[in-house]
Amino acid sequence: KQEVTQIPAALSVPEGENLVLNCSFTDSAIYNLQWFRQDPGKGLTSLLLIQSSQREQTSGRLNASLDKSSGRSTLYIAASQPGDSATYLCAVKDTGRRALTFGSGTRLQVQP
Amino acid sequence: DAGVIQSPRHEVTEMGQEVTLRCKPISGHNSLFWYRQTMMRGLELLIYFNNNVPIDDSGMPEDRFSAKMPNASFSTLKIQPSEPRDSAVYFCASSLGGAGSYNEQFFGPGTRLTVL
Repeated sequence: KQEVTQIPAALSVPEGENLVLNCSFTDSAIYNLQWFRQDPGKGLTSLLLIQSSQREQTSGRLNASLDKSSGRSTLYIAASQPGDSATYLCAVKDTGRRALTFGSGTRLQVQP
Repeated sequence: DAGVIQSPRHEVTEMGQEVTLRCKPISGHNSLFWYRQTMMRGLELLIYFNNNVPIDDSGMPEDRFSAKMPNASFSTLKIQPSEPRDSAVYFCASSLGGAGSYNEQFFGPGTRLTVL
């Protein structure tokens, strides 16, 4: 059974810092990995999706990498802003299964 | 497109009552998912449909939970009778694609259910 772990559980940084969020998964037979953002009391917003054949994806100040063989992904946020404060969730789609398995998230606070 | 639409956004009910949550997926999407989010267990899949057919309902907690998808544009999740431990945020998501789909899932805003 796939298990997804996110470290750290919470992170507080001053505005302007570059930061890295980590995600690890136990079964490397995945189709893709998706990073989401969740604001308090809100739904999930898809940030980036990396296919199993890809190494990284970029969108603006966000860069996500995938190392399938080691079961790891990182989300890099450049020049963090207070508006980036949210919970970031990592989710994987296993081979042969359409549903996602989620990590427990990293709660990010960017201090102005 | 309006995205995935869920109703109601908030529901407060008393133990023993029937609760029905509703979802309208993104037009053209053929996979629909129901997830539940709690502080203790995080986000968990309850059930998903492909082309209106339930494919995996292994996450449905017990017989009190049932889900239907009568057509491509509507799904319901019903809890009868409801219990306080069912209190959670219930999300619906949809995606496009067949077997081995690489496509991303899009989530609705969720329904916050409180059972007193």
